[in-house]
Amino acid sequence: KAGVTQTPRYLIKTRGQQVTLSCSPISGHRSVSWYQQTPGQGLQFLFEYFSETQRNKGNFPGRFSGRQFSNSRSEMNVSTLELGDSALYLCASSPTSGGTETQYFGPGTRLLVL
Amino acid sequence: QKEVEQDPGPLSVPEGAIVSLNCTYSNSAFQYFMWYRQYSRKGPELLMYTYSSGNKEDGRFTAQVDKSSKYISLFIRDSQPSDSATYLCAMSGTGTYKYIFGTGTRLKVLA
Repeated sequence: KAGVTQTPRYLIKTRGQQVTLSCSPISGHRSVSWYQQTPGQGLQFLFEYFSETQRNKGNFPGRFSGRQFSNSRSEMNVSTLELGDSALYLCASSPTSGGTETQYFGPGTRLLVL
Repeated sequence: QKEVEQDPGPLSVPEGAIVSLNCTYSNSAFQYFMWYRQYSRKGPELLMYTYSSGNKEDGRFTAQVDKSSKYISLFIRDSQPSDSATYLCAMSGTGTYKYIFGTGTRLKVLA
């Protein structure tokens, strides 16, 4: 089976712009979670989608949003970018929701905000 | 207090050494425990997945969970330079709908 894929892999934006990141889960996986990873904070949970519904949300401002499509593909959007949004954004998929099955990660999108 | 605590390292060991990586946690509802390996500029890769207390072995890797002490460990035997990476522990509980990660321990195995 193909793994989790994320596009784009690298992105450079300026403050105030918005960005959309895409994630395709492993075939058959219906849950997609998004994380932000920075050297100082580690992996921080953004949100999880299952069957096109947001199941859980982390402690991030409303500038961070997401959605999931009927084919389980997911997108994450960050509006009004700030310098502190520079990070590796990781997508992870699992067969179901609820925290009982392990997650498989994609390679990430590295975002640099100038 | 963080839900999961993990020593950030870095931890440097000679090739062939036994490595012990550890995490402590505070939420007794956690039942599922994972270890991920992350190479520089890559996404985390699942190494071990265990449910509840006990040991699980896979090749050179052994995961240990002690729920009574809220403590999990990953042992790497005969460590290799290719094991040099950041190791992340993660855990979840039924119905929590999210996974909590440690901050990761950087490991360097010296040839």
